[in-house]
Amino acid sequence: QVRLQQWGAGVLKPSETLSLTCAVYGGSFSGYQWSWVRQPPGKGLEWIGEVNQSGGANYNPSLKSRVTISEDTSKNQFSLKLTSVTAADTAVYYCARFYDYWSGPFDYWGQGTPVTVSS
Amino acid sequence: SSGLTQDPAVTVALGQTVRITCQGDSLRRYHASWYQQKPGQAPICVLHGENHRPSGIPARFSGSKSGNTASLTITATQAEDEADYYCNSRDSSGFLLVFGSGTKVTVL
Repeated sequence: QVRLQQWGAGVLKPSETLSLTCAVYGGSFSGYQWSWVRQPPGKGLEWIGEVNQSGGANYNPSLKSRVTISEDTSKNQFSLKLTSVTAADTAVYYCARFYDYWSGPFDYWGQGTPVTVSS
Repeated sequence: SSGLTQDPAVTVALGQTVRITCQGDSLRRYHASWYQQKPGQAPICVLHGENHRPSGIPARFSGSKSGNTASLTITATQAEDEADYYCNSRDSSGFLLVFGSGTKVTVL
């Protein structure tokens, strides 16, 4: 059974860099798309970006200038870095697997990491 | 527009049928996936592709698509179906992923 376990700092000050890592257990890392999704308090889901089965990365245009998603295939892990955070980046952050590049779905999710940005 | 539009909220009586819609240009090319999210929990997929239910999802969840609109139908709605529902697909460029704005389903 595939399991995603994520971790990272939960409290940041404005202008700091958010850093989260997600480890994939119980299944293959290659051949799938690995995404980060966030959800601000009381709001909907927002896709942040992905590393895809070709090793490339795609990002939400609204965050592209501040986001880097990378993978470490030797460890079956992928990571999110979001620079220059503000209060607007306060959210629960999820890692997730997108099964098929064209049709998905997001079939496995991490447990979520609440991140608060506050001075 | 590359976004997906959903009605913010719907209400359904226990045991009745509710349909949730998701509109967007990308749905002319791609199928939507549908996710159920309950408070404090990660989303779970309830439907994907043409009309595929993941293992463990009850048969009362079904889907369809016409033109730029995908629909999720819950038949004989149960109290435990009260949740937020989100649609998702590739955007029209094929490079990005998008989520709908979400629909809150209330069961009376």
